[in-house]
Amino acid sequence: QKEVEQDPGPLSVPEGAIVSLNCTYSNSAFQYFMWYRQYSRKGPELLMYTYSSGNKEDGRFTAQVDKSSKYISLFIRDSQPSDSATYLCAMSLTGNQFYFGTGTSLTVIP
Amino acid sequence: DTGVSQNPRHKITKRGQNVTFRCDPISEHNRLYWYRQTLGQGPEFLTYFQNEAQLEKSRLLSDRFSAERPKGSFSTLEIQRTEQGDSAMYLCASSLEWGFGTDTQYFGPGTRLTVL
Repeated sequence: QKEVEQDPGPLSVPEGAIVSLNCTYSNSAFQYFMWYRQYSRKGPELLMYTYSSGNKEDGRFTAQVDKSSKYISLFIRDSQPSDSATYLCAMSLTGNQFYFGTGTSLTVIP
Repeated sequence: DTGVSQNPRHKITKRGQNVTFRCDPISEHNRLYWYRQTLGQGPEFLTYFQNEAQLEKSRLLSDRFSAERPKGSFSTLEIQRTEQGDSAMYLCASSLEWGFGTDTQYFGPGTRLTVL
């Protein structure tokens, strides 16, 4: 069983839609949870970071962590064509070693 | 602050050759990470440095791979006797110490390796 599972998509939505991206994980000891955005042939860029459980909001982005279900989510409101990218979830126990999902490819259609 | 830089950006080599990649982290960052990413997959952890000390290595890292960070600044990743399966994007990331409210990894643009 992989440490982190993420549906690879692809996901295609119309501009303005709410996007929901999700990951599940197997190690209940994870305490750092991150979402990255990666454009083609570029390095990942941190979008959201959450320590332990709870919600975090930043502009159009909301990250949720449900440790009881071992499930994390990223919501994108009012999606824009510029949001088209691959979204990666990542998690860590101590900040030493990080486990990434496979990434979900998102296309926002104008 | 110019971010994390990696050189070269692309490398094409023949099977059996050795290659070396360089990563220059953000200057005040004491942590440096190497990852490998293949098409359609997320980054896969290879190794991590705290200053000049290599503190963790993935068990996936074969003995053909070696990484150094001699003065706690830039790092090199060497792959000896390259194989076609080594073809991937090699990503470097850096960060400050974790757990003090500065928990962010910054990634470089990557070095794309193609082994013929």
